Amino acid sequence: ETGVTQTPRHLVMGMTNKKSLKCEQHLGHNAMYWYKQSAKKPLELMFVYSLEERVENNSVPSRFSPECPNSSHLFLHLHTLQPEDSALYLCASSPGGEVKTQYFGPGTRLLVL
Amino acid sequence: GQNIDQPTEMTATEGAIVQINCTYQTSGFNGLFWYQQHAGEAPTFLSYNVLDGLEEKGRFSSFLSRSKGYSYLLLKELQMKDSASYLCAVRDRDYKLSFGAGTTVTVRA
Repeated sequence: ETGVTQTPRHLVMGMTNKKSLKCEQHLGHNAMYWYKQSAKKPLELMFVYSLEERVENNSVPSRFSPECPNSSHLFLHLHTLQPEDSALYLCASSPGGEVKTQYFGPGTRLLVL
Repeated sequence: GQNIDQPTEMTATEGAIVQINCTYQTSGFNGLFWYQQHAGEAPTFLSYNVLDGLEEKGRFSSFLSRSKGYSYLLLKELQMKDSASYLCAVRDRDYKLSFGAGTTVTVRA
């Protein structure tokens, strides 16, 4: 148990569906992240929020839309996805201070049909 | 940006030692992390190096040479539960992490 939870753990959706991924951290951290992990590829950073403000958007397609209503919650809204978007989506959080180690949630396994 | 290389797979015997190498090229180095990820689970933090040298944590040690752009993770007294993917990640001056593709370690009895 790392203190970062994600729901749902598994999601199957069609290309015309709209769904949302949820992340919650119980660690009192002030930064949260969304990563995409595809098979045999490095984790790709998608979005970073620091103190509820988006500070990074790594050229992610607009069909992915993040939302950070407060420092404990992070959402990823999905709309008209493509089959190549099928992957494991990981949320992470980190504290302030010098080291800022990121702690990951268990991920949502997404399959787009 | 970062360019991070690590071997794809390694196999070792229970009780043995395995060393996973990671080389990187970076535009602004600000720390190197190792994570362990079991299949279907979250990556979990193992170690952090920002200065040259060896950091030891029980059976796991991590080494860094900033001048060579090189790190290794050393796993001693291997156990079956150590079978996992090991991720090398480099942090830049903006505190962004860039990950290698991971090294899958298989421990055999």
